Amino acid sequence: EAQVTQNPRYLITVTGKKLTVTCSQNMNHEYMSWYRQDPGLGLRQIYYSMNVEVTDKGDVPEGYKVSRKEKRNFPLILESPSPNQTSLYFCASRRSVFPYEQYFGPGTRLTVT
Amino acid sequence: DAKTTQPNSMESNEEEPVHLPCNHSTISGTDYIHWYRQLPSQGPEYVIHGLTSNVNNRMASLAIAEDRKSSTLILHRATLRDAAVYYCILLRGAQKLVFGQGTRLTINP
Repeated sequence: EAQVTQNPRYLITVTGKKLTVTCSQNMNHEYMSWYRQDPGLGLRQIYYSMNVEVTDKGDVPEGYKVSRKEKRNFPLILESPSPNQTSLYFCASRRSVFPYEQYFGPGTRLTVT
Repeated sequence: DAKTTQPNSMESNEEEPVHLPCNHSTISGTDYIHWYRQLPSQGPEYVIHGLTSNVNNRMASLAIAEDRKSSTLILHRATLRDAAVYYCILLRGAQKLVFGQGTRLTINP
C-alpha cells in the first residue's frame, strides 16, 4: 500500500530536549515536505526537499532542521524545542512530474511544555 | 500566489449532492485547480484537479467555469464520511501547495 508514515504519532516533551520526528514514504517520490498545522493559521510549509541531499526552507523554518540522506526518509529535527512549536505536524511526498498529487502522512501531535 | 475564496462552512444531508464553490478570479492560464480534503484527525488527501474541462473521478466531480474564475467540487451523494475540511488550491507547475482556510463541510444524518 502506498503510504507516508510518521513516528511518533504523539509526543509530549520539555523545552530544550532535542527530538526527531521521522517520515518515510514507499512510493519512490522525489519531493518531500513538512507542514505544521495550527488553529487559525492553517497548514504552513516548514521545509521541503526536491531530492536526496537537496533541501530548502519553506515558510516557517525557524527552529527546525531536516536532512534527506535517503530518498524514502525525511526526518524533522527540533534541536531545542520551545512551547511555540507545539503543533500538529504533517509530512508529505509527491513525484516531481505532473500532476503533482501530494500524499500526506497521518500527522504527529507534538506538545512542548 | 493566486488566491482562492471559499465559504467557511457548509452543511448538507446524507445521500444528497453537495456543491462546494471556490472563487479564483486572479487565476492565470497555467494554474491548475486542485482540491484536497482533510478528514478529522487525518492528513490532507488529494481529491481531484482540473485545468479547463470538467473532470470526474471516483471521489468527486470538478466543474470549472468557462472563464476559469470559479469552480465547484461536486460530491454526488454525500455520506457521513465526507465530513471534512475541503481546500481549493491553485497550483502552477511544481509549486508548493498553499492551503487556505478551506470549507468545513458538515453532513447531517
